[in-house]
Amino acid sequence: AQSVTQLGSHVSVSEGALVLLRCNYSSSVPPYLFWYVQYPNQGLQLLLKYTTGATLVKGINGFEAEFKKSETSFHLTKPSAHMSDAAEYFCAVSVGGDMRFGAGTRLTVKP
Amino acid sequence: EAGVTQSPTHLIKTRGQQATLRCSPISGHTSVYWYQQALGLGLQFLLWYDEGEERNRGNFPPRFSGRQFPNYSSELNVNALELEDSALYLCASSALLAGGLSYNEQFFGPGTRLTVL
Repeated sequence: AQSVTQLGSHVSVSEGALVLLRCNYSSSVPPYLFWYVQYPNQGLQLLLKYTTGATLVKGINGFEAEFKKSETSFHLTKPSAHMSDAAEYFCAVSVGGDMRFGAGTRLTVKP
Repeated sequence: EAGVTQSPTHLIKTRGQQATLRCSPISGHTSVYWYQQALGLGLQFLLWYDEGEERNRGNFPPRFSGRQFPNYSSELNVNALELEDSALYLCASSALLAGGLSYNEQFFGPGTRLTVL
């Protein structure tokens, strides 16, 4: 079955700095890939998704991710962190509707 | 358009009791997924229902069960509750993509916080 590994359970950046959250996936067939964000005491909200086509995907709140098949990666980036970006981020891989999530990365943004 | 709704918001039970959690998907979505989010353990896949059928289940004991109704709403039942069942239970819904070969992204509800004392 497909799986996801998120490198780093906690990432801390300064406000205005680059955000890089790492995600590697494993799948025997071409997957769909997703990044979700979870704010405290809330459900998950979709940031962006890759299904087919362009490998650089732009999402909400200035985030983007690049699908690299050769590296089986789908890292999430944002050029300049904002205090409101502090949350938990989950990478997910879906094959035929069967979705698996990574363990999550908690992003802290320092003023 | 209404999002995914879950009830109750909070549920407190004692060990050995049964808990029933409910989920209503977005209108037009036929798939419902259940996840357990325990502290520090990320999202663990529990169950996937589509068109009233169980499509897949995660690595959970049989006392976790559920069903999907004709209106696509779903119920998660947890029998013989244990302390470690305390968690946030998230429901998500999804729609089949045109062509019927795959599914769109999942939309999540706010969750039910289950506390087992």
